[in-house]
Amino acid sequence: AQTVTQSQPEMSVQEAETVTLSCTYDTSESDYYLFWYKQPPSRQMILVIRQEAYKQQNATENRFSVNFQKAAKSFSLKISDSQLGDAAMYFCAYRSADSNYQLIWGAGTKLIIKP
Amino acid sequence: NAGVTQTPKFQVLKTGQSMTLQCAQDMNHNSMYWYRQDPGMGLRLIYYSASEGTTDKGEVPNGYNVSRLNKREFSLRLESAAPSQTSVYFCASSEVSGRYGYTFGSGTRLTVV
Repeated sequence: AQTVTQSQPEMSVQEAETVTLSCTYDTSESDYYLFWYKQPPSRQMILVIRQEAYKQQNATENRFSVNFQKAAKSFSLKISDSQLGDAAMYFCAYRSADSNYQLIWGAGTKLIIKP
Repeated sequence: NAGVTQTPKFQVLKTGQSMTLQCAQDMNHNSMYWYRQDPGMGLRLIYYSASEGTTDKGEVPNGYNVSRLNKREFSLRLESAAPSQTSVYFCASSEVSGRYGYTFGSGTRLTVV
């Protein structure tokens, strides 16, 4: 069975600095999708960025980028120029590209932004 | 705005009471999901509906039932609420492959006393 591990329960970063959140996953499949979701105190789940496993190029969305290492089964999220609004729980998630309707979730990392 | 709408946002139930959480999406997605989120944990799948007319159990289905009323609507019913069902509930939808991620509703905070 697939698993997703986020080894950092909590991270803090100074406003305007860069922070990297870690995510590793375990799978025997070759085709899958990876996601980072943000959950601010409002509790809304917001998709931050996605990566398709067959694409070697790392995804980028404005200040958010990923470092996708398929062989190492690693999918870290880098947030550049951190802003106060980035403070939230961040969840990494895995989804098989095959007929499997489950998103597999990590336990989350709480990101604190220091002004 | 296109998205997923859940009602209600908050609910307090007494043990043994029943209620239905409503969810509707206007994104023309085929697949819909119900999750629960407990403190300090990620989301756990309760039930999902791959397409209209089908529903399947997820990781934690006990104590719940679902109805896929049509393509837009997917409801979650608690027949006899228990304190262990105190949680935040999220509805989500996606296109069939899930490759673009799931769109979530804003959640329902349910307390069972």
